[in-house]
Amino acid sequence: DIQLTQSPSFLSASVGDRVTITCRASQGISRDLAWYQAKSGRAPSLLIYGASILQRGVPSRFSGSGSGTEFTLTINNLQPEDFATYYCQQLHTYPPITFGQGTRLDIK
Amino acid sequence: EVQLVESGGGLVQPGGSLRLSCAASGFNFSMAGMNWVRQAPGKGLEWVAYIYADSNTILYADSVKGRFTISRDNAKRSLYLEMKNLRAEDTGLYYCVRWNGYCSGDHCYPSFDYWGQGSLVTVSS
Repeated sequence: DIQLTQSPSFLSASVGDRVTITCRASQGISRDLAWYQAKSGRAPSLLIYGASILQRGVPSRFSGSGSGTEFTLTINNLQPEDFATYYCQQLHTYPPITFGQGTRLDIK
Repeated sequence: EVQLVESGGGLVQPGGSLRLSCAASGFNFSMAGMNWVRQAPGKGLEWVAYIYADSNTILYADSVKGRFTISRDNAKRSLYLEMKNLRAEDTGLYYCVRWNGYCSGDHCYPSFDYWGQGSLVTVSS
């Protein structure tokens, strides 16, 4: 199974900040990586797929990069609605399809 | 508008059974791969099962293999998850999720693009 490790697990930031979340895969997954945002009481939503392709309707302050085993999600100019938990997911080799453990982004 | 609406969750004793349903609308359901993903209380996301559009390919997580069965009825635009021999660790919110594949050139990039609101399953005596 391919393991995904996100860092950090917890992140505290302020409105207007730029933050970066890293996702490392235990083996190469090309660019078959997606990022999701999850808020309490709401279904997760797709932000990025193909490592860097922005899902329709997602603000351009979100961006993704990477390939192989190391990936990053960057959020520029943090907005109040961005405080949530973020997950990476690999869809390269399955089953199983695996998620990272999540990164919780809190307001400082 | 794509909509996925789960139902069928509830409280069940360990060893019991439950059947989740997901009603789909707003897209060509018979052409879409579908998944179940769950989230235990306070925990992260865990993929549970996948079924291809024509049901020819079905995949399971090891944690549910042999106990859970995913199925679909394209005429009814519905996805199902039959859960048997339930355990306390199966407790969680179960999401019905659409598989999407965006293709560019010779590569397709898969993702889970639409999620339902979830159906809560609680396994407890």
